[in-house]
Amino acid sequence: GNSVTQMEGPVTLSEEAFLTINCTYTATGYPSLFWYVQYPGEGLQLLLKATKADDKGSNKGFEATYRKETTSFHLEKGSVQVSDSAVYFCALSEGSNFGNEKLTFGTGTRLTIIP
Amino acid sequence: NAGVTQTPKFQVLKTGQSMTLQCAQDMNHEYMSWYRQDPGMGLRLIHYSVGAGITDQGEVPNGYNVSRSTTEDFPLRLLSAAPSQTSVYFCASSRTTRTGELFFGEGSRLTVL
Repeated sequence: GNSVTQMEGPVTLSEEAFLTINCTYTATGYPSLFWYVQYPGEGLQLLLKATKADDKGSNKGFEATYRKETTSFHLEKGSVQVSDSAVYFCALSEGSNFGNEKLTFGTGTRLTIIP
Repeated sequence: NAGVTQTPKFQVLKTGQSMTLQCAQDMNHEYMSWYRQDPGMGLRLIHYSVGAGITDQGEVPNGYNVSRSTTEDFPLRLLSAAPSQTSVYFCASSRTTRTGELFFGEGSRLTVL
């Protein structure tokens, strides 16, 4: 079945540091890939997505590129801020024929940014 | 602009008790779902619905029941609570256009003693 593996946290960085959170996946077919973010006390919200190989999703300074050859979707940001402190989830859907009805989530990576 | 509303936010139950977690959305979304979030395990799908009158099981459906009588509401029922059901529960909804964008409620933290 489908699965998503994220780097284990927690991750602690200083403000303005470079961020990478690794995500790899296993799927049949051609999944869509997502990053969701969960701020303290809130539900998850979509951060960015990519629907086919070599697509780059971007939002709020975060980027991730859909790499089919390495089955990866790593999240990056060039200069993190304290407000980026949150839990980040990588996720995939079962593919364009199934849509988003069944998202498979990774275990989440807690990020803390120190001023 | 309510979005997805879950109630209650916190609940403590004793083993064997039953309860219903409420979920309502005001975005006219056809698709609704329930996830549970446990440490080290991410989010796991419990049940989902692709429209009023239609429900289906997700990854971890045992011990839970759902119904979808209206587009807006998707309650989750715990029939006989067990300590293994201690978790944070999230309701989510989306349109049917397969964008992958789920809209989540703020969560309901349930403790079963």
